Amino acid sequence: GIQVEQSPPDLILQEGANSTLRCNFSDSVNNLQWFHQNPWGQLINLFYIPSGTKQNGRLSATTVATERYSLLYISSSQTTDSGVYFCAVARNSGNTPLVFGKGTRLSVIA
Amino acid sequence: EAGVAQSPRYKIIEKRQSVAFWCNPISGHATLYWYQQILGQGPKLLIQFQNNGVVDDSQLPKDRFSAERLKGVDSTLKIQPAKLEDSAVYLCASSLEVRGQQFFGPGTRLTVL
Repeated sequence: GIQVEQSPPDLILQEGANSTLRCNFSDSVNNLQWFHQNPWGQLINLFYIPSGTKQNGRLSATTVATERYSLLYISSSQTTDSGVYFCAVARNSGNTPLVFGKGTRLSVIA
Repeated sequence: EAGVAQSPRYKIIEKRQSVAFWCNPISGHATLYWYQQILGQGPKLLIQFQNNGVVDDSQLPKDRFSAERLKGVDSTLKIQPAKLEDSAVYLCASSLEVRGQQFFGPGTRLTVL
């Protein structure tokens, strides 16, 4: 099956700092989503981004499908950004399910 | 707009007992998913429904797990009998269409003793 690798696995930031999270995948995809799982366990969909660039407030994401990676940018980080960020992808063929990476655990300290 | 609802939020059972989880998707969402998330890992798809039909159940341990989505709205996931390794968070998600943006419920944390 498709492999999804996220880096870094852990990240500690001072409040106000910027960060870039990376997601590499091993096959062609036509579905890529970024999620934030907060410390209470709720998974929140941040972006549906199989290609191109999107922005939502302090967050933005870019997927370069031809090079099999996606980036999530967090600017001016806040303590509420803490949690685990997951990238999930689905292969081009058929109705294949989303496969999640292991996530990047982000801790933002005041 | 109401989000995905799940119940119960927590459940503790002994091994070999049975348990059931309920999910109500976002109104109008045709596709419903059940995921299992083990501590420290990303969610893993167990079963996917399109309306009341199964699209993918390839990773569902069918000897003990079953799921249904009667009338294409609510869904129930059952485990019978439970094993220790079933301890996990069970997440329900829904999307407007099959490969669409997925929205998750709060999950049910299951502990099997």
